This record gives sequence, C-alpha cells and structure tokens, in this order.
Amino acid sequence: NAGVTQTPKFRILKIGQSMTLQCTQDMNHNYMYWYRQDPGMGLKLIYYSVGAGITDKGEVPNGYNVSRSTTEDFPLRLELAAPSQTSVYFCASSYLAGTGRPEAFFGQGTRLTVV
Amino acid sequence: QKEVEQNSGPLSVPEGAIASLNCTYSDRGSQSFFWYRQYSGKSPELIMSIYSNGDKEDGRFTAQLNKASQYVSLLIRDSQPSDSATYLCAVTGGTSYDKVIFGPGTSLSVIP
Repeated sequence: NAGVTQTPKFRILKIGQSMTLQCTQDMNHNYMYWYRQDPGMGLKLIYYSVGAGITDKGEVPNGYNVSRSTTEDFPLRLELAAPSQTSVYFCASSYLAGTGRPEAFFGQGTRLTVV
Repeated sequence: QKEVEQNSGPLSVPEGAIASLNCTYSDRGSQSFFWYRQYSGKSPELIMSIYSNGDKEDGRFTAQLNKASQYVSLLIRDSQPSDSATYLCAVTGGTSYDKVIFGPGTSLSVIP
C-alpha cells in the first residue's frame, strides 16, 4: 500500500515556466488537498477536492490550477512560475468527514525553487 | 480570527519534562481534531486523533478536548530529544466539513 505519492521530489523552475506536480493515492479517499509550506510556517491550503470532477479553492489559489478526473489523481498546475511560489508542496488525502477516519495522510512533499 | 490557532513557539523543555501544546478553534461545530508531528524537511505524520470531550492517552501522548471552550491540547510526558519537531493541530467538521484545516504549528525543542 503506497499511500499518497508525489512526484517530483525536487524541482528548479525558471521564472515564467510552467509545470505540473503529480499526486496519486491508492486508499480510495474522497478528499484530496494541496498545501504549500513556506520555511518556518504552517500549511496553507491551495486547492482541495471532495471527489472526482469537483474542486474548490483554498486560502492561496492564485497562480495554481487543479483537476480531478479520477479518484486517485489530483495534479497541481503552476502557470508562469514566480519566485513567490518557491515553497514545499504537500499533497494529502482523507476520507469524508463523519466516516470515522477523516484524518489526512500526506505525501512526501515536493520542494520547488523558482529562480 | 483565524480558524485554528496554536500557542506561539518555539517551546523549549528539558528532557524528561512534560511538554504542553495548546490549540483553539473558531468553528463550534467542529467534530474531529488531530495532532500531527512534522520533523524538519519531512511531511506531517498523524500522532493523535480525538473526537469526544475528555482525555485520550497513547503511550507518552495525551490529547485533551474541551468542545465548550473550543480547546484541544497535547501533553507529551517524559519528553525526549526525538520529540523535537513542529506540532500541528488540525480540525475538520462544522462549516469546514469538507476540508482539514491546520493551525500554524508550534515548534518544540527538547533539551538533553
């Protein structure tokens, strides 16, 4: 059971480039999330999804896009990368709140640097 | 008011002491509460979950929940240097029914 898998682990982008951060989970979780974590700071929610075909903005969605075509996959797209997007990105997944196990499980993170 | 707040750190305790981490939340309808531990450069890992008022113990860790006061805490007994990490409080349910909301975290250092 792999859990939540993110790729790549590290990436350096030039300003203005685009990229997609991949996230897949094999736990059949309804909910998936993308967070960013700046150095010494907490987790900020970028986007989340409550199921295939449904996504919603979190606290800091500007500069990002997501899609959820399957239960398993929740890619995060960065368009026109900016230095302010330098951060560690975490993907997480969870069951529906109220099912008894709503805790979030995290991937190993993607460290992104925009230069 | 932020949805989830934690006591500001960093918190330093000597080895063997009790570390007390606090968290308050704004949504009175919140139903599920979690403590995550995050080592530097690593992803958060779940260490405790609590759903009803009172205490829940797991080894050296005790989570305490008081829904009337909208307060949840984590006590770490016999603190070890390996407990040095950032501890994140997370909440779901209520108006945040469909997402897990994290607090900013409290950095804990256990001094040998």
